[in-house]
Amino acid sequence: GAVVSQHPSWVICKSGTSVKIECRSLDFQATTMFWYRQFPKQSLMLMATSNEGSKATYEQGVEKDKFLINHASLTLSTLTVTSAHPEDSSFYICSARGMGGSVSQETQYFGPGTRLLVL
Amino acid sequence: EDQVTQSPEALRLQEGESSSLNCSYTVSGLRGLFWYRQDPGKGPEFLFTLYSAGEEKEKERLKATLTKKESFLHITAPKPEDSATYLCAVQAGDNQGGKLIFGQGTELSVKP
Repeated sequence: GAVVSQHPSWVICKSGTSVKIECRSLDFQATTMFWYRQFPKQSLMLMATSNEGSKATYEQGVEKDKFLINHASLTLSTLTVTSAHPEDSSFYICSARGMGGSVSQETQYFGPGTRLLVL
Repeated sequence: EDQVTQSPEALRLQEGESSSLNCSYTVSGLRGLFWYRQDPGKGPEFLFTLYSAGEEKEKERLKATLTKKESFLHITAPKPEDSATYLCAVQAGDNQGGKLIFGQGTELSVKP
């Protein structure tokens, strides 16, 4: 139980293009999803929190217009990096918490991550 | 300010050499303390949740304990496949949004 998937697992794009990353909870209902960014040899940095059907709450310093988050259903959240630039290259990880199956409501379960490289 | 500090930053062990990782925290009312394992290039894998001082949880060679100021992750007779970065995170009691505060992690290397 508590499986979270991300797609794609890696993506290479040209500077100026937009990239969409999907995060799905496969066997439970994700009432809340989180998006993180991780740089090499560093811990996770929370970018935003999204509740199903509501606007995302962004952390200080994270550009809302650049990192668009949608949480339209209890099993899917998307992160769109708009007009990507090389400095947006990073490892993006989503997590979900919710109910159903064998999950603990307090625990965040993480996806496998998406590596983005902007040329 | 809520804060999580993990030590050591890196730990090298021989196979079979037991040790402990430390996670010290200051938080305004602990709602939960979480341990995760992260392999290179992958997302964190959930290990344990601890809610109150005195609580202990075990899984195979791992045992997590909790006091009012810190948590320990004890690794008994580790194997090379236990090599990974271990992350500790806390959720504050007043945080209804479920946000986690992460430590910097301990990179564990177990040599055969």
